[in-house]
Amino acid sequence: DGGITQSPKYLFRKEGQNVTLSCEQNLNHDAMYWYRQDPGQGLRLIYYSQIVNDFQKGDIAEGYSVSREKKESFPLTVTSAQKNPTAFYLCASSHPGGYNEQFFGPGTRLTVL
Amino acid sequence: EDKVVQSPLSLVVHEGDTVTLNCSYEVTNFRSLLWYKQEKKAPTFLFMLTSSGIEKKSGRLSSILDKKELFSILNITATQTGDSAVYLCAVEGHSGNTPLVFGKGTRLSVIA
Repeated sequence: DGGITQSPKYLFRKEGQNVTLSCEQNLNHDAMYWYRQDPGQGLRLIYYSQIVNDFQKGDIAEGYSVSREKKESFPLTVTSAQKNPTAFYLCASSHPGGYNEQFFGPGTRLTVL
Repeated sequence: EDKVVQSPLSLVVHEGDTVTLNCSYEVTNFRSLLWYKQEKKAPTFLFMLTSSGIEKKSGRLSSILDKKELFSILNITATQTGDSAVYLCAVEGHSGNTPLVFGKGTRLSVIA
């Protein structure tokens, strides 16, 4: 089955700890994206990557970091510098070229205790 | 700066009603407008619109784009409780694989 997987589904962390959210896709998509969703805020772009070993900051990159060492994987690290990390995090990918219909993973809900 | 505004932000209707959700946008070098439905987790794709005046239809859902007035509408006829969700509108500018710009969504609640 082709698709995007995110893990874990739920994540709890204490203040001051870094945590890494996983995103894997087997759709052979070049581009991958990370969004944050808060109630009433829609989706806000954190980072995106159009090709392996390259990524760009989105609108709310502060306190986050990413890597893109493999085409299939785009992990997101939420660092202790992120002041309000409790949110729902969505990963997406899109087909190379053409129009940008993004496919989404099931999301990770992060709660900071 | 690219911007997408959806209205209303929330809506409550009874089963069987018809609803219209609105999406207006400002984007540099428009390429496409997309509608997604988000129930509990991942948004699922509904429509992609690239040309004005051509209606896209899927069952009870339909959507149309007006590139001159910079807006799109999503219509749902004979609503059912299963239509309850957040409906997201997004636009793509520039070239392919650049990020989408999302609106805040419209939360639709359909009550029996």
